[in-house]
Amino acid sequence: AQTVTQSQPEMSVQEAETVTLSCTYDTSESDYYLFWYKQPPSRQMILVIRQEAYKQQNATENRFSVNFQKAAKSFSLKISDSQLGDAAMYFCAYRSSGGANNLFFGTGTRLTVIP
Amino acid sequence: NAGVTQTPKFQVLKTGQSMTLQCAQDMNHNSMYWYRQDPGMGLRLIYYSASEGTTDKGEVPNGYNVSRLNKREFSLRLESAAPSQTSVYFCASSGNFRGQPQHFGDGTRLSIL
Repeated sequence: AQTVTQSQPEMSVQEAETVTLSCTYDTSESDYYLFWYKQPPSRQMILVIRQEAYKQQNATENRFSVNFQKAAKSFSLKISDSQLGDAAMYFCAYRSSGGANNLFFGTGTRLTVIP
Repeated sequence: NAGVTQTPKFQVLKTGQSMTLQCAQDMNHNSMYWYRQDPGMGLRLIYYSASEGTTDKGEVPNGYNVSRLNKREFSLRLESAAPSQTSVYFCASSGNFRGQPQHFGDGTRLSIL
């Protein structure tokens, strides 16, 4: 079974600075998708960014970008120019590209933004 | 606002009681999902429905049943609640990306005594 590991239970960043959240995963598959979700205190999960494994180019969404290292099975999230609204739990998730309809989530990283 | 609506937001049950969590989406999405979130763990898929009239088991289906009533609604039922089912439950939906929830509800915090 696929496993997703987030080794940083908590991180903090100064407002306007940059922070990188780590994620590693274990799979024997060659084609798959990776995601970062944000869960603010309101609890609602928000999709932040998505990466297809067959794409070498790292995905970017405004201030959010990823560093996808397929050989190392690493998928880190970089948040630039951090804002107070970025404070949340961040979850890394994996999905096979095959028929399986399951997302495997990591345990999350709680990000605090310091004013 | 359009989105995924879950009811109730909070519920306390006694062991052995039954209840149904309701979920509705108004985005005309085909796929809907039920997840549970436990402390210190990521979300785990309970059941999903790829389209109206179909349901499939996820990672942790034991103790639950689901009904995809129509395209909009996907309910989760606990027939005989157990303390191990104390959790926060999230409903989600997706349109274009099968298997990838795009929109989540606000969650239902369920406590079973």
